[in-house]
Amino acid sequence: QQQVKQSPQSLIVQKGGISIINCAYENTAFDYFPWYQQFPGKGPALLIAIRPDVSEKKEGRFTISFNKSAKQFSLHIMDSQPGDSATYFCAASRRENTNAGKSTFGDGTTLTVKP
Amino acid sequence: ETGVTQTPRHLVMGMTNKKSLKCEQHLGHNAMYWYKQSAKKPLELMFVYSLEERVENNSVPSRFSPECPNSSHLFLHLHTLQPEDSALYLCASSPGQGMVYGYTFGSGTRLTVV
Repeated sequence: QQQVKQSPQSLIVQKGGISIINCAYENTAFDYFPWYQQFPGKGPALLIAIRPDVSEKKEGRFTISFNKSAKQFSLHIMDSQPGDSATYFCAASRRENTNAGKSTFGDGTTLTVKP
Repeated sequence: ETGVTQTPRHLVMGMTNKKSLKCEQHLGHNAMYWYKQSAKKPLELMFVYSLEERVENNSVPSRFSPECPNSSHLFLHLHTLQPEDSALYLCASSPGQGMVYGYTFGSGTRLTVV
């Protein structure tokens, strides 16, 4: 049972356009929703994250929209640039009794921004 | 550099070899993780360590053996691997106290089993 479903699998956007990636989760115990960006040959890097007490968070050109009742959240990349071409992963996390935390990842979206 | 360093970056090993992957972080984080990333598959959690104690073993075959000698170092010992174990192995760390925070990943070790 996949707890975090991510779509689309791949996305092609023109330079300057808006890229939108969606994720849906099932477990209401999740309390932290990060997005990671991964370039070829590198590990994922934390891009932006949101907690369920707010509906939107913006950092530069990147915005997370969060809908708690629908159990969905999305990443919007405004004014997309060729340098944004990468694989994006959403995740949903919750604190374990061990304090380690545990993240469940979506399958990833490969974004290509055409010049 | 992200603050999490993995060595080696690339490893080719035969099915009868024994090798180890190393992960090091000096971020003061208390939790460390091993993930497997295969093509066309989501990130798979393998092991979780909190304050040097293994707190999760996600049904990983015994040919993978983790070790966490201190909060800054994490190893993954490999023996008698199978070709399907070829993947990118990622180490990550997180503060691991109180609220949940994001992970800091290393660049990974690209493992090829021949």
